[in-house]
Amino acid sequence: NAGVTQTPKFQVLKTGQSMTLQCAQDMNHEYMSWYRQDPGMGLRLIHYSVGAGITDQGEVPNGYNVSRSTTEDFPLRLLSAAPSQTSVYFCASTETGANSPLHFGNGTRLTVT
Amino acid sequence: AQKVTQAQTEISVVEKEDVTLDCVYETRDTTYYLFWYKQPPSGELVFLIRRNSFDEQNEISGRYSWNFQKSTSSFNFTITASQVVDSAVYFCALKWGGGNKLTFGTGTQLKVEL
Repeated sequence: NAGVTQTPKFQVLKTGQSMTLQCAQDMNHEYMSWYRQDPGMGLRLIHYSVGAGITDQGEVPNGYNVSRSTTEDFPLRLLSAAPSQTSVYFCASTETGANSPLHFGNGTRLTVT
Repeated sequence: AQKVTQAQTEISVVEKEDVTLDCVYETRDTTYYLFWYKQPPSGELVFLIRRNSFDEQNEISGRYSWNFQKSTSSFNFTITASQVVDSAVYFCALKWGGGNKLTFGTGTQLKVEL
């Protein structure tokens, strides 16, 4: 019963490095999204996708890229990491239907030095 | 603009006390959805409840209850007879824009002590 799987759990990057946070779900959910969680700021939407081949920006998209080539996967790319991107990142998915709750992965704690 | 306000940053109670977590929201949408999530110290986010904008019926689930009032744009969460295991950060969230966007409050840290 995997649900939403995020890898890695922890990552340390140097400023300017690039990396991809992986997210996969096995519930056949059309909607997937990425959030970042920072102290005192709750969770903020970075990017989201309503289906394969469709992505859109959320509240804080700058510095991040996404793509959705399959229903199952929704990777988040940091092209040139900055210390301001130090955060905990959560991937989430949900069924089609506005009242459906998000199912969250366990998070990735990223530190950029 | 959509906004969720959780004015209580941190609440400390003694076990068995009742505690209410406040949530006030703003939206121009006539159809929207409200959620509560729990984030225990282990860090995962756990869905607790959802409520549609056209359903103001309150709900009780065990020691948890939720009071939704459109007139005051509030969706408050009460834990009766709190337990140490209730210690967590609780987030209120508003789903809007046809259901594609979820705006979270900043969370309330609840500490339940013996």
